[in-house]
Amino acid sequence: DTAVSQTPKYLVTQMGNDKSIKCEQNLGHDTMYWYKQDSKKFLKIMFSYNNKELIINETVPNRFSPKSPDKAHLNLHINSLELGDSAVYFCASSPTKGPILLNEKLFFGSGTQLSVL
Amino acid sequence: GESVGLHLPTLSVQEGDNSIINCAYSNSASDYFIWYKQESGKGPQFIIDIRSNMDKRQGQRVTVLLNKTVKHLSLQIAATQPGDSAVYFCAEKVEAGTALIFGKGTTLSVSS
Repeated sequence: DTAVSQTPKYLVTQMGNDKSIKCEQNLGHDTMYWYKQDSKKFLKIMFSYNNKELIINETVPNRFSPKSPDKAHLNLHINSLELGDSAVYFCASSPTKGPILLNEKLFFGSGTQLSVL
Repeated sequence: GESVGLHLPTLSVQEGDNSIINCAYSNSASDYFIWYKQESGKGPQFIIDIRSNMDKRQGQRVTVLLNKTVKHLSLQIAATQPGDSAVYFCAEKVEAGTALIFGKGTTLSVSS
């Protein structure tokens, strides 16, 4: 199936731990994103990568470090987890039009629910 | 901060009714708008999009209306079905190269 897939779906961990969330898309898109959805369902952009290059970094604490080994993968590593990091994290991808970053019509993964205890 | 918002956090309709979900945006420079549906436990799913050079666009059972004068966007769902129950988000793109900015979401509940 063509999709954006992210793992794990659920992640429960203790404060202070380091964890990673993986994301892969087989849609052939050049741009990938991480969004954070809080308990009130508000979706906010964290990062955007285009062809492995960081494009957008929205004042996210440097405990969050995205890594893009190739344009089909964008992983999110979080150091020293805090209670406030508990949220649902969504990976997404979108097509480009040649060199133009459309940042439109994002395709989302099913989310990773992170619970920090 | 967020520049896109919704008028109502919840909307309850009867099966078969038409639903209208509203969204207000604040940036008159925004040139692209999109609606997403998010079912419980799933990621947002694309419904329909529209550019600022249009005022209406139709899909299957859905219509998006854009009123740039009052900076208002709406999603109309015809003959609403129980499967339409979800949280609906509008989002805007303010300028080229920037990410989509999402509104707060409206929870649509359809009773049969």
